[in-house]
Amino acid sequence: AQKITQTQPGMFVQEKEAVTLDCTYDTSDPSYGLFWYKQPSSGEMIFLIYQGSYDQQNATEGRYSLNFQKARKSANLVISASQLGDSAMYFCAMRPGGAGGTSYGKLTFGQGTILTVHP
Amino acid sequence: DGGITQSPKYLFRKEGQNVTLSCEQNLNHDAMYWYRQDPGQGLRLIYYSQIVNDFQKGDIAEGYSVSREKKESFPLTVTSAQKNPTAFYLCASSTTGYNEKLFFGSGTQLSVL
Repeated sequence: AQKITQTQPGMFVQEKEAVTLDCTYDTSDPSYGLFWYKQPSSGEMIFLIYQGSYDQQNATEGRYSLNFQKARKSANLVISASQLGDSAMYFCAMRPGGAGGTSYGKLTFGQGTILTVHP
Repeated sequence: DGGITQSPKYLFRKEGQNVTLSCEQNLNHDAMYWYRQDPGQGLRLIYYSQIVNDFQKGDIAEGYSVSREKKESFPLTVTSAQKNPTAFYLCASSTTGYNEKLFFGSGTQLSVL
């Protein structure tokens, strides 16, 4: 079974500073995908970034980067130059297996971290 | 604009009543999913469908039912057998492919009267 652990229930950061949100995972699958989603107070889930277990480079998407340490089974999200609009709940999620297959889209989510950006 | 539409935004259920949550997508995605979110919690998978007329149970399917008669639609029925239905329900869809990211709707908040 897969498990995602986000140990920070809440984080605070000053506007324009960088912040790291922690995520560790546990799986016995040789291949897997890791995702980060943002959930603002409106409730919808917004995809931020993806990292495949065999990807050699850490993923980056604009101000978001994923610090992937496979041996430690961690996939921390780094947000650079925080903005007030970054205040939201952030979820780390994992999908076992490679492209397609019986694990198709079955994301397992962590408990989430509430990020508050102060002006 | 392409996207996923969930309706209604708020829904109230009386005891013993079945209620149906609507989910429609115009992204031409093959796969669709239903997740449940309880306050302060992550999302848990209820049902998913990879293709029309086929669907599989997720981790918490008891008390729920789905249908997939059209590619665009994946309605979720919360039956009277679901004793604790109060939650936020999110529908999602995805393409095939290596990064298979899920696109989510804006959710339905279900409460019990």
